[in-house]
Amino acid sequence: NAGVTQTPKFQVLKTGQSMTLQCAQDMNHEYMSWYRQDPGMGLRLIHYSVGAGITDQGEVPNGYNVSRSTTEDFPLRLLSAAPSQTSVYFCASSYGSGMETQYFGPGTRLLVL
Amino acid sequence: GQNIDQPTEMTATEGAIVQINCTYQTSGFNGLFWYQQHAGEAPTFLSYNVLDGLEEKGRFSSFLSRSKGYSYLLLKELQMKDSASYLCAVLAYSGAGSYQLTFGKGTKLSVIP
Repeated sequence: NAGVTQTPKFQVLKTGQSMTLQCAQDMNHEYMSWYRQDPGMGLRLIHYSVGAGITDQGEVPNGYNVSRSTTEDFPLRLLSAAPSQTSVYFCASSYGSGMETQYFGPGTRLLVL
Repeated sequence: GQNIDQPTEMTATEGAIVQINCTYQTSGFNGLFWYQQHAGEAPTFLSYNVLDGLEEKGRFSSFLSRSKGYSYLLLKELQMKDSASYLCAVLAYSGAGSYQLTFGKGTKLSVIP
């Protein structure tokens, strides 16, 4: 199993550009989530999904969209990038409704100029 | 909302024992996780407590007191490779059958010879 994979590993964007961060898992996990990690702020939940076709907002959802058309994939879209979105983004997945241990992807480092 | 507090930094000597504390205030509590995160890497699961008491796993132990909103992670026989950030995370019911994991800001542990 590859576990949780994320692409790209690193990305530089200009303010106003849009892009999609990819996340995939091959463990047949129902629950998937996106976090951002900033210095001194810890990991903060952006959006999460309890299964295909179902998504919900986390603590910091503004400026991000998600969709869950398949169990395996959970892409995160930045509609119009801003410097405040410079961060490290982690995707995670777990069995069931999120009560179980979450497995994290390797992260995407995003720099918005 | 949720409030999770843990010390920002700690230093300990190789071979010693260190205790990292975490206090929390939350509604819908459903368990507490500890994750380890080495610099530049993804968080990895260490322990999960849902009932009061001590859970031991090799050199690592985790304790929970639900009535006090308190947990600690105990690391014994410290090794240089234990230098990392340790993240306390509270799992809480968020409605509609799903749960959210909220992270503290992490404790950066430095192990010195």
